[in-house]
Amino acid sequence: AQSVTQLDSHVSVSEGTPVLLRCNYSSSYSPSLFWYVQHPNKGLQLLLKYTSAATLVKGINGFEAEFKKSETSFHLTKPSAHMSDAAEYFCVVSGSGNTPLVFGKGTRLSVIA
Amino acid sequence: GAGVSQSPSNKVTEKGKDVELRCDPISGHTALYWYRQSLGQGLEFLIYFQGNSAPDKSGLPSDRFSAERTGGSVSTLTIQRTQQEDSAVYLCASNPTGGLSGYTFGSGTRLTVV
Repeated sequence: AQSVTQLDSHVSVSEGTPVLLRCNYSSSYSPSLFWYVQHPNKGLQLLLKYTSAATLVKGINGFEAEFKKSETSFHLTKPSAHMSDAAEYFCVVSGSGNTPLVFGKGTRLSVIA
Repeated sequence: GAGVSQSPSNKVTEKGKDVELRCDPISGHTALYWYRQSLGQGLEFLIYFQGNSAPDKSGLPSDRFSAERTGGSVSTLTIQRTQQEDSAVYLCASNPTGGLSGYTFGSGTRLTVV
């Protein structure tokens, strides 16, 4: 079975400072991992995905994540936060084949001017 | 269509009534998923359809919930005898074949049971 733990329910950063959203996963298989973002009253948007290729994955809007098997982590980072990054972020894991994606509980990112 | 379409976008219903939520996936996507997002919670998997295979109903919270997918395209999620705890945003997603390529989500149906 797969699971993800998002270590922070809320992260607050100042505009222009780095962002770190932490995620640990558990999977019986070689996992595929994703980050999704949900802006207020908007749908879920795929930020980036890891599917056993390069361990450092670059996504949209300057975000990236690094797959670390030894630490079972897939943390999301961005060098410089922008006000428009304020949203809910979900770390997601998939097992093999067509098993449904399993979502973390989300991390709410606030960006302070 | 260009994206996953869900209707209605908002639904207010009285406790005890039945509701039907509709999902129109991206054309050609064989996999379709229903999730539920309650306030302050992550996404809870409900049910999954893949082609002509029997659906994976393992996430349905009670027998008041059911879903069907006609002709491998449009899906309807039905909640019978709604309860206040059913209030949530119900999200539908589709995928070309399975999980590895990621899902495209619809904007959801916000269900409020009063």
